[in-house]
Amino acid sequence: EIVLTQSPGTLSLSPGERATLSCRASQSVSSSYLAWYQQKPGQAPRLLIYGASSRATGIPDRFSGSGSGTDFTLTISRLEPEDFAVYYCQQYGSRYTFGQGTKLEIK
Amino acid sequence: QVQLVESGGGLVKPGGSLRLSCAASGFTFSDYYMSWIRQAPGKGLEWVSYISSSGSTIYYADSVKGRFTISRDNAKNSLYLQMNSLRAEDTAVYYCARDNPSRAWGQGTLVTVSS
Repeated sequence: EIVLTQSPGTLSLSPGERATLSCRASQSVSSSYLAWYQQKPGQAPRLLIYGASSRATGIPDRFSGSGSGTDFTLTISRLEPEDFAVYYCQQYGSRYTFGQGTKLEIK
Repeated sequence: QVQLVESGGGLVKPGGSLRLSCAASGFTFSDYYMSWIRQAPGKGLEWVSYISSSGSTIYYADSVKGRFTISRDNAKNSLYLQMNSLRAEDTAVYYCARDNPSRAWGQGTLVTVSS
């Protein structure tokens, strides 16, 4: 089973700042089958990024994904108030596994 | 529009059984992989199981293998999860989700396993 480790656990930033979230896999993720989701309290997760770097439909371009192999990054270029949420990475190349999540909170 | 509606959650005693359903609409259900993903209270996401569009390929997380059974009825646009031998650690909101990765999610149904 591929284990995904996200860091940091909590990230405290202000609106307008840049956020960088990390996701590291215990073994190489095949064909960059790596996705990122956003989840707000009381809501289902929403797909942001798939294939490590492709934005899902309707996702603003301030969200970007990068990486390959075992190291992946989600970057939010300029934080908007609605971006403060929990973010999960997921690999879907070898069954599915999720990272434990990064909480992005307002500083 | 795409809609996924889960049902069947509730309170069940340890060792008991429950069957979850997910009614799909707004897309051609038989064209898509479907998954069950759960989230324990205050915790992260955990993938439970997925099933291919035809039902010929099925995978389970080790934590539920041998206890849970995923199935689908493409004629009824429905996905199911039969959960047996339930444990306290199975307590969670259970989401059905479409695609690989999951582009559409239901609102979830809460399963509570407690005596």
